[in-house]
Formats: sequence, C-alpha cells, structure tokens
Amino acid sequence: DAGVTQSPTHLIKTRGQHVTLRCSPISGHKSVSWYQQVLGQGPQFIFQYYEKEERGRGNFPDRFSARQFPNYSSELNVNALLLGDSALYLCASSPREGGSGYGYTFGSGTRLTVV
Amino acid sequence: GQQLNQSPQSMFIQEGEDVSMNCTSSSIFNTWLWYKQDPGEGPVLLIALYKAGELTSNGRLTAQFGITRKDSFLNISASIPSDVGIYFCAGMNYGGSQGNLIFGKGTKLSVKP
Repeated sequence: DAGVTQSPTHLIKTRGQHVTLRCSPISGHKSVSWYQQVLGQGPQFIFQYYEKEERGRGNFPDRFSARQFPNYSSELNVNALLLGDSALYLCASSPREGGSGYGYTFGSGTRLTVV
Repeated sequence: GQQLNQSPQSMFIQEGEDVSMNCTSSSIFNTWLWYKQDPGEGPVLLIALYKAGELTSNGRLTAQFGITRKDSFLNISASIPSDVGIYFCAGMNYGGSQGNLIFGKGTKLSVKP
C-alpha cells in the first residue's frame, strides 16, 4: 500500500514568490495535517484538515493557507516567501480527526529552499 | 512555537551500550509519542503511551509515561549501528478536534561501530 506521498520532494524559490505543496494521504485516511521542520528543530504544527474542513491552526502567519479536496488530498500554500520559510514541510495523515498516535503517518516531506 | 524540552541534544555511544533520553513539558498531555527520523525521511512512530505511569516496550525500545503527565523517557538497549538517527518525543491531547503534536527538539544518536 502507498504511504503518504508529497510533491515535489525538493523546491527552490525566490523571496516574495508563492509556493504550493501537495500531499496525498494513505487510502482511507480522512485527516491531513501539515508541519514545518526547520533544520535542527522538531516539526511545528501548521494546519489540520478533516473532511475538507480546517480543524486546527498553529501559530503561523496568514501567508500560510491550506485546503483539502474531496479525495482527501491537500495543498499547502505559502505567499510572499521569506528566507525563514526554508524548511522541510511534512504532511501526516490519519484515519480519524483526533487520532491516537498510531495510524498518524508522516510523508517524507518537501524540502523548500528560499533564496 | 512551543517545543518540548528534550535531552540530551546528542549522544555518541559504543555499539552494545544502552541509551536513555527524556522529554519534559510545562503542559500536561494525555498521550506521549516517540518518533525516529532518518535523513531525508519523515518521522516514524516507535512507541505510543496513553496512561500516566505506563511502561511500554517495542523490541529493544522501552518508553515510560511520567506520573505527572509532563514527562516521558525512552531507553534503547544494546544499541546497534542502525539505531543512528534523530529521536523526537511528542505530546498530544487526543479526543478533541485537534490532534496536533507538540514535538521536542530531538536527540541525535550516533553509534560507533
């Protein structure tokens, strides 16, 4: 079975540009969450979506937005990129909204570099 | 953003040695999770703990949920080269609308062959 797939795997953007990252959850998983992992740090929660509705938002500026589609895939959008947005962006999917830890599976991430 | 206090930041040990790391929080969690992350990959769940005082094993890994619900410990026995990687603790409060995880900063484990 396919795991959580993210695209692209690597991306280089210029300051001020916009970026869209994509995530396909495990088949049957209805919840998708996004995390930002800066080099040398643990992942930081950005968004959670369940059944196409936003269920949680971390402490990130409005330049960050996301959505979930009817097939439960998701996009993370970041506008007006800053150098500090350079990070590994992780997507995680789970079968349910809350989750218990098990079944909460991470993808390999998208490495975004802003120059 | 909030991150849990995880220590040590890094460890360099001989193969066959036991390893201990811990994680503390100023907040109470009802779930503690331990992940391992290899280079270029996302975190992979090792152990999940759901009850204060709970002690759970997964092969050579043993983790405990602290009585105060503000800390957790992970032990690796008889380390081997493939244990190399970064270990993260994470706290979570499930049951509500948010299942988001609060991570520690990680413990980088390096093993001498």
